[in-house]
Amino acid sequence: GESVGLHLPTLSVQEGDNSIINCAYSNSASDYFIWYKQESGKGPQFIIDIRSNMDKRQGQRVTVLLNKTVKHLSLQIAATQPGDSAVYFCAETPWGSSNTGKLIFGQGTTLQVKP
Amino acid sequence: GAVVSQHPSRVICKSGTSVKIECRSLDFQATTMFWYRQFPKQSLMLMATSNEGSKATYEQGVEKDKFLINHASLTLSTLTVTSAHPEDSSFYICSANGQRAKNIQYFGAGTRLSVL
Repeated sequence: GESVGLHLPTLSVQEGDNSIINCAYSNSASDYFIWYKQESGKGPQFIIDIRSNMDKRQGQRVTVLLNKTVKHLSLQIAATQPGDSAVYFCAETPWGSSNTGKLIFGQGTTLQVKP
Repeated sequence: GAVVSQHPSRVICKSGTSVKIECRSLDFQATTMFWYRQFPKQSLMLMATSNEGSKATYEQGVEKDKFLINHASLTLSTLTVTSAHPEDSSFYICSANGQRAKNIQYFGAGTRLSVL
């Protein structure tokens, strides 16, 4: 079945270092991916998205990389700050759902930033 | 832009009562609204998808008579947990996507439901 999963449940990094959060997806027909950040007790917040016709997309301090060959997605955060501490979810639009906007979420990675 | 408001943020109720949660898109008209449930340290589980003026589409395993969804306008959807029981205690989150970027869902802040 369709699934989006993350390799590591928790990632601990030193403030100022770069963070890399990984995500594997199983549906090769998925054509759209999103990264969300969720702080404790709050709803997810949109970070960045990427379509399957792209390999890389950059935002402010964040970069998303998509490797369709191995069905792998990653989120890179440059110069990680304490405010980046949160749970990060990748999400994909499953095949046939582009008209509904339905998303399937991965398990999430907790990012802990050490001062 | 793309602000979604969810109310209440926290509710405590007695077993057997019903609870209504509201989800509003404040500065855009939502094509579709979604309702999720999230247990501690777990991912978001989609419960249902709702479109204005039509019946909600429920995910497999979600009881439609237990979780009533009404989508009365392009800016408001409500989730009613009927005859709540302690096992219904959870974090419920709504989201909405707009007409311009249909795949991006904007989330409310969530509602923490505790059933005693």
